Amino acid sequence: ETGVTQSPTHLIKTRGQQVTLRCSSQSGHNTVSWYQQALGQGPQFIFQYYREEENGRGNFPPRFSGLQFPNYSSELNVNALELDDSALYLCASSFAPGGYGYTFGSGTRLTVV
Amino acid sequence: DQQVKQNSPSLSVQEGRISILNCDYTNSMFDYFLWYKKYPAEGPTFLISISSIKDKNEDGRFTVFLNKSAKHLSLHIVPSQPGDSAVYFCAATLTSGTYKYIFGTGTRLKVLA
Repeated sequence: ETGVTQSPTHLIKTRGQQVTLRCSSQSGHNTVSWYQQALGQGPQFIFQYYREEENGRGNFPPRFSGLQFPNYSSELNVNALELDDSALYLCASSFAPGGYGYTFGSGTRLTVV
Repeated sequence: DQQVKQNSPSLSVQEGRISILNCDYTNSMFDYFLWYKKYPAEGPTFLISISSIKDKNEDGRFTVFLNKSAKHLSLHIVPSQPGDSAVYFCAATLTSGTYKYIFGTGTRLKVLA
């Protein structure tokens, strides 16, 4: 059974650029949630996808968007990058919305310069 | 508005002794609580959870206590081991809709050998 894998592990982008982060959910999981963890903070909920549909969104602007594919993998897209977007982006999968504890990937460290 | 607070950024405990990590929340509607452990360069790992219908849940060396009237939960680790050294996050959620988790800012536990 494979866990949650995220790619890339590290990324440096320039302000104003666009970025796509990828996540492969754990086998058998149909729900993917994305979180942003800024330095010294806890993870903050961005949005969740359940069976390819967005199933809830946190307080993030529309330039944060996502997709879930038929194999339940997912992408997080961020347009018009800002310096404050620098953070660790975590993907988590579960058997259903909420489940009994997400399985998190190791994250993508995004640095915006 | 920080709905979940972990007021101790760090904690040091001697090996074999008890570690107590605390967490406070403000939203009385939260009905499910979790603790996650995070090592450097890894994603958070689910540790233990508790439903609001309970006041205690045990799993081996880990026990979570919930005091709903005080809106407070704590994680007890007995006995503490050096491998427990990590950052611990508490999280809270509503078991309806998205199940988005609201995380605290984390407590860094150091278990001294």
